[in-house]
Amino acid sequence: QQPVQSPQAVILREGEDAVINCSSSKALYSVHWYRQKHGEAPVFLMILLKGGEQKGHEKISASFNEKKQQSSLYLTASQLSYSGTYFCGTPDLSGYSTLTFGKGTMLLVSP
Amino acid sequence: DGGITQSPKYLFRKEGQNVTLSCEQNLNHDAMYWYRQDPGQGLRLIYYSQIVNDFQKGDIAEGYSVSREKKESFPLTVTSAQKNPTAFYLCASSTSWAGGSGYTFGSGTRLTVV
Repeated sequence: QQPVQSPQAVILREGEDAVINCSSSKALYSVHWYRQKHGEAPVFLMILLKGGEQKGHEKISASFNEKKQQSSLYLTASQLSYSGTYFCGTPDLSGYSTLTFGKGTMLLVSP
Repeated sequence: DGGITQSPKYLFRKEGQNVTLSCEQNLNHDAMYWYRQDPGQGLRLIYYSQIVNDFQKGDIAEGYSVSREKKESFPLTVTSAQKNPTAFYLCASSTSWAGGSGYTFGSGTRLTVV
């Protein structure tokens, strides 16, 4: 099942904060986050593993709550370079590494 | 530098024609994947391969075929049976457990039916 991301789109001014959520109807062992700029390949940001840990990449951090089957991505003091579409990906449970991606959240940071 | 190379960047296909998209990686990754991206749909898995000479269908494999004769290469053929092939195609690779370091994506091939 495809994870559900919210919101679908966010428009920010430079320096503002944003939160992107990813939730799943199935049990999660980990969550991946990627960012894709228009016309380019998605770029890996971070993986959140079971245990509720938080991770950071630049001023972007994330949390993972396996009990609630959800993860949140926090973008603090957004920069113009943060613009793009953010995808969460959840692995299947068959032992393989295939990811099912959400539909994405488009983030636009304006000056 | 290690990475994934997809070619061509743009591809035009006529009705009834088969086309092959190339994907080569020099990351020594065991696993390779093909995803299709349509506007507003996210990325959908077409095929994946965990090891040479073995591959599995993903969620939308109909009308596509792949081969994995070498660890470095995972070409995708879009056959004439794929009725709506216009999309952005992304190839990715990872270690056998993607939880280690995530996927590395190629720069994509944009396929258009003319």
